[in-house]
Amino acid sequence: NAGVTQTPKFRVLKTGQSMTLLCAQDMNHEYMYWYRQDPGMGLRLIHYSVGEGTTAKGEVPDGYNVSRLKKQNFLLGLESAAPSQTSVYFCASRTGLAPEGYTGELFFGEGSRLTVL
Amino acid sequence: LAKTTQPISMDSYEGQEVNITCSHNNIATNDYITWYQQFPSQGPRFIIQGYKTKVTNEVASLFIPADRKSSTLSLPRVSLSDTAVYYCLVGASRSGGYQKVTFGIGTKLQVIP
Repeated sequence: NAGVTQTPKFRVLKTGQSMTLLCAQDMNHEYMYWYRQDPGMGLRLIHYSVGEGTTAKGEVPDGYNVSRLKKQNFLLGLESAAPSQTSVYFCASRTGLAPEGYTGELFFGEGSRLTVL
Repeated sequence: LAKTTQPISMDSYEGQEVNITCSHNNIATNDYITWYQQFPSQGPRFIIQGYKTKVTNEVASLFIPADRKSSTLSLPRVSLSDTAVYYCLVGASRSGGYQKVTFGIGTKLQVIP
């Protein structure tokens, strides 16, 4: 039972470089999320997707792009990395079969630690 | 999305019962209340969810008064391994079609030997 898998787990980038974080889930979930976590800031939503081919902005979307070409994968891209994007990134997924107001259970990956020098 | 307010940090001795209260004054009729636990260097983990009164599972209990404007997560007889950050979430964003799930800062619980 893999659940939610994030790759890579660690990465060091130089300012201006680009990279892509991959999130893969094997639970056939419709909804997928990317969060970033910084010390003292809790979890902040970057982008999310409610199904294959759809994406939407979260609380802190600037500087990131996402794609959901396949239901099981949600990619987070940094086109030109900046030191302010140094963070731990978490991916999560959940079923879309939920009534209004019911957030259901989010399943999280182990996180990807990104450092931008 | 109903705004939540919870203490930033709490300390407790091993073996004590810990209660973390979350305020959500503008909770909507359909909103559920959910709690997550996050250990250092790990992703958050779902603990418990409820709509009203009391919910109990093998990890915790969730108490929700009749007006639903607050909720209390109760952890019985905590151990050092319960040291973690606990997040209270209420409902989901209407602007996001009930799919947008946001977290706050959470409550950092430190269990002391």
